[in-house]
Amino acid sequence: KNQVEQSPQSLIILEGKNCTLQCNYTVSPFSNLRWYKQDTGRGPVSLTIMTFSENTKSNGRYTATLDADTKQSSLHITASQLSDSASYICVVSDRGSTLGRLYFGRGTQLTVWP
Amino acid sequence: EADIYQTPRYLVIGTGKKITLECSQTMGHDKMYWYQQDPGMELHLIHYSYGVNSTEKGDLSSESTVSRIRTEHFPLTLESARPSHTSQYLCASSDHGQGPPQETQYFGPGTRLLVL
Repeated sequence: KNQVEQSPQSLIILEGKNCTLQCNYTVSPFSNLRWYKQDTGRGPVSLTIMTFSENTKSNGRYTATLDADTKQSSLHITASQLSDSASYICVVSDRGSTLGRLYFGRGTQLTVWP
Repeated sequence: EADIYQTPRYLVIGTGKKITLECSQTMGHDKMYWYQQDPGMELHLIHYSYGVNSTEKGDLSSESTVSRIRTEHFPLTLESARPSHTSQYLCASSDHGQGPPQETQYFGPGTRLLVL
């Protein structure tokens, strides 16, 4: 069964600290993996996208890694800011159809305290 | 900031009422999608469209219907709302021309629906 599991479910850190969010998936065949940021009451916004051949991708203070062999990805946030408080969603796409079906994780709810 | 809009942002309505959730995008994207998301849960695809006059049901069974008469407009309709329809509804679009694996979906802000 194709699944995307994220951990931790929620995380609280102090402003300025670093953190790492995890994503494990069983989706096969694999096309790409995206990390989205979803602010409360808003739609998700894409942070990074990685294909099979890419093992790291950065977007400012966000760095995503991908290990396609172990089917694991992580999102590292450096020097956290209050505005980083949001849900971070891991999304994996398969190559099983022209739609490129997406499998969504439940997200990690990050809270950054001052 | 993606140019995709949803109205209303919040809706409280009684059981049995007919409702239409609006979604519009100004990016000229061919593909559009509707997702349902409950708090703390993953997004579930309920409808999608490849273009004008094309609509398909998604993975999650839904009593809603959609139409795609214009490229930029993808409304979702519930003929008779029930409390079980209470949820957040997210509309998204993507550019067919990009194609996988780089195709990215752009999401609207969502509509929070409460059916009493």
